[in-house]
Amino acid sequence: DAGITQSPRHKVTETGTPVTLRCHQTENHRYMYWYRQDPGHGLRLIHYSYGVKDTDKGEVSDGYSVSRSKTEDFLLTLESATSSQTSVYFCAISESRAGTGGTEAFFGQGTRLTVV
Amino acid sequence: GQQLNQSPQSMFIQEGEDVSMNCTSSSIFNTWLWYKQDPGEGPVLLIALYKAGELTSNGRLTAQFGITRKDSFLNISASIPSDVGIYFCANTGNQFYFGTGTSLTVIP
Repeated sequence: DAGITQSPRHKVTETGTPVTLRCHQTENHRYMYWYRQDPGHGLRLIHYSYGVKDTDKGEVSDGYSVSRSKTEDFLLTLESATSSQTSVYFCAISESRAGTGGTEAFFGQGTRLTVV
Repeated sequence: GQQLNQSPQSMFIQEGEDVSMNCTSSSIFNTWLWYKQDPGEGPVLLIALYKAGELTSNGRLTAQFGITRKDSFLNISASIPSDVGIYFCANTGNQFYFGTGTSLTVIP
């Protein structure tokens, strides 16, 4: 199994509070991703990183920010959580850029976030 | 975003039966990936395909990269209860795109 650890695994928070989810990898992979998974929508990309301090937006980035100060850590922050951000969040890593031959994404175990 | 159409959405089968599911896209891709997700867990990579026409097996699982490069198939032979889960296809453009999944239930 790829060495990806997400924390926390479960969190309940109140509307309007800030929340930070952490993804830690031990594979030294350059690319890291944050997805959310909702019924009927599958996995949707929030943000991704292609190196330390290098990040870009995905298709559902509104209300989320990310930071990557070290190769092994990728943080996802909800500045002011809303009920629509209740979801399961997955971190993924890949050795090379999506679209290059031989690229595969490996996933963490997920964080279930409930915003009440 | 890129649309991957995965079918069927759900399947209920008897233990021992074979299973077939597929994924189609409107664009051509260089890679097809198949994942399985168990309840409460993250997706786990099952098979990766890199060439049109490629047929790859992983135990009882067999996947094929369609000749048109717009589709892929996953077959599971002689299903067992632990095959239960959601199966996702994925391919890669400038990011990873995922299908909405096929939910498989195996009835003992």
